[in-house]
Amino acid sequence: GAVVSQHPSWVICKSGTSVKIECRSLDFQATTMFWYRQFPKQSLMLMATSNEGSKATYEQGVEKDKFLINHASLTLSTLTVTSAHPEDSSFYICSARKLAGGQYFGPGTRLTVL
Amino acid sequence: KQEVTQIPAALSVPEGENLVLNCSFTDSAIYNLQWFRQDPGKGLTSLLLIQSSQREQTSGRLNASLDKSSGRSTLYIAASQPGDSATYLCALHTDKLIFGTGTRLQVFP
Repeated sequence: GAVVSQHPSWVICKSGTSVKIECRSLDFQATTMFWYRQFPKQSLMLMATSNEGSKATYEQGVEKDKFLINHASLTLSTLTVTSAHPEDSSFYICSARKLAGGQYFGPGTRLTVL
Repeated sequence: KQEVTQIPAALSVPEGENLVLNCSFTDSAIYNLQWFRQDPGKGLTSLLLIQSSQREQTSGRLNASLDKSSGRSTLYIAASQPGDSATYLCALHTDKLIFGTGTRLQVFP
């Protein structure tokens, strides 16, 4: 058990458009989900922590109005990149924490903004 | 602020060698330490989780140790194989997961 999925796995969009990425815990409930960003050949940087039913907590330097996070249920969190620009191109990875403990990662979403 | 550094940043070795990857952190107030593997363009695969009260964990050819007092963890890979080629990340469990800078490993036949 403890499978986390992300959709889509890759997306290409034009500059100025908005892109939504979904993160689902398939076989467990996650009170907390995390969103990370990874630039090429770099490590994962935590963007925000989201708790079901409440506002996300953003890390320093991450624009909350640009990266909208919604954690509407115990199995789904979404990240919307608004008015995307080429510098937002990155690999976005979510993870979900089980109620009983343990954090599990999704397969990632590759975003390319033209 | 917790900083997590991995040395070396990149490593290229012939298969069969025994390898040591290093992870150092600045604040010893951690819960657990976890090692992950990441293949290019993919998500993370958990390799080993060392709980705060433990000093090491083993899984197959992998052995990870943790020394909180010195702020270090090492991942030992025995008899490396080309299939071990990947990026290895250590991560500290505090109130959130903090990732190290990563070691890109290439094992050639």
